[in-house]
Amino acid sequence: AQSVTQLGSHVSVSEGALVLLRCNYSSSVPPYLFWYVQYPNQGLQLLLKYTTGATLVKGINGFEAEFKKSETSFHLTKPSAHMSDAAEYFCAVSSGGSNYKLTFGKGTLLTVNP
Amino acid sequence: DVKVTQSSRYLVKRTGEKVFLECVQDMDHENMFWYRQDPGLGLRLIYFSYDVKMKEKGDIPEGYSVSREKKERFSLILESASTNQTSMYLCASSRQQGPGDSLYNEQFFGPGTRLTVL
Repeated sequence: AQSVTQLGSHVSVSEGALVLLRCNYSSSVPPYLFWYVQYPNQGLQLLLKYTTGATLVKGINGFEAEFKKSETSFHLTKPSAHMSDAAEYFCAVSSGGSNYKLTFGKGTLLTVNP
Repeated sequence: DVKVTQSSRYLVKRTGEKVFLECVQDMDHENMFWYRQDPGLGLRLIYFSYDVKMKEKGDIPEGYSVSREKKERFSLILESASTNQTSMYLCASSRQQGPGDSLYNEQFFGPGTRLTVL
C-alpha cells in the first residue's frame, strides 16, 4: 500500500520569502510523484511530476521539487513567494504499473502575507 | 486544450433525493475517477473506471454508484442523498499508456461540483 504525508496543514509566508511544502511518501515500488495546486473554487492543476530520470523537477510558476529516495521525500519549493501563490497544494503518489490510481496527501494551505 | 467538464458547479438537493453528477472528458482517456474532497481529509477516491462499463470501488464507495456507458462520460449517482454527502466532488481522467508516455499516470481534473444536501 502507498501513502502520502504532508507536514503542516497550513503554511504562512511573507511575499518574497522562500516557500517550502513538505511531502513524504511510502511505496513498495519506485514511485511516480506529483504536486497539484488548487485555487479557490477550482479543480486541481498539475504543478510538476517525477517519473524517472533527473531527481530535481521544475514545474510551472517557478516551483520545483526534489525526489530524495533515501528520505522518501518530495518537497516542493519556490525561492520567492508571490501573492498569487496562495492556494492549497496536494502531493500525490502512484505505484505505476496497472494501478492507475493516485493516493493524495491531505493538502497544505499556503497563505502569502503582503 | 484538454478539458474535463462537470455538469454543475453548485448543486443543492434534499435528503432522500436521487442525485446525478455528470463528468465529460474530451481527451479520449481510458481512465476516469470520482473523488470527494472535504476539509482536512484531502481527496478520497469514490470510484474508478478503466474502460466503458467497467468500474472499481475506491476507498469510500458506500452510498454511491457509477455509470460509464460511453468512453467520454462518467456519472456519479447518489441513490438517496444524505446530509453527510455534502461535499465537493471532483472528476478526473487519465491515459492508460505505459511508462514511456509523458502523461503516464497524470490525472486531469474538472472544476468540481459543490453539493449541499439539506
